Amino acid sequence: DAGVIQSPRHEVTEMGQEVTLRCKPISGHDYLFWYRQTMMRGLELLIYFNNNVPIDDSGMPEDRFSAKMPNASFSTLKIQPSEPRDSAVYFCASSPHREPPYEQYFGPGTRLTVT
Amino acid sequence: AQSVAQPEDQVNVAEGNPLTVKCTYSVSGNPYLFWYVQYPNRGLQFLLKYITGDNLVKGSYGFEAEFNKSQTSFHLKKPSALVSDSALYFCAVRASNTGGFKTIFGAGTRLFVKA
Repeated sequence: DAGVIQSPRHEVTEMGQEVTLRCKPISGHDYLFWYRQTMMRGLELLIYFNNNVPIDDSGMPEDRFSAKMPNASFSTLKIQPSEPRDSAVYFCASSPHREPPYEQYFGPGTRLTVT
Repeated sequence: AQSVAQPEDQVNVAEGNPLTVKCTYSVSGNPYLFWYVQYPNRGLQFLLKYITGDNLVKGSYGFEAEFNKSQTSFHLKKPSALVSDSALYFCAVRASNTGGFKTIFGAGTRLFVKA
């Protein structure tokens, strides 16, 4: 199994530009999570999906952030317009089922730098 | 509300010595507890979890953790540290009595093992 795949691995963009981060979860996993990691705030859950349906998006910081999961094998996190404070490492993770409690499998992350 | 505290930003230990990375939690009802490790420029990697049963949980790479309900703690331990154990360690908690899947991560503890 290739694990969770994220692209791009690095993204440098200018303030105001649109940024799209992509994730392919592990095949057969029902849950997909998007996290943001910064030195100041640690690891924050942004949103998670169950069977392609968004369940909890309370961690999405602003309306500039949006996430979609059009099918079981693909999800995107979009920031429009981007701002320097969005600079962070964004992780996608997936998990098989809710019960019994499974761990999450993380992708390698996308390092976003907004200048 | 769920919360996780990792009181030490960094733990330093000599190779061959035992190590402990501390974690305390707060959650309504019974907790599901996890430890993850993050190596530089990588995603988080699952180490072990406590669901129910034996309070001592064994995981990957010789790590173990002890669940203590009265002290609401879940400390990570290893009898003999290796230089290769140097990494960032995250404790995480999820409440068992909620319908959601939200997992709260601690701020992380950096483990430095000196040769």
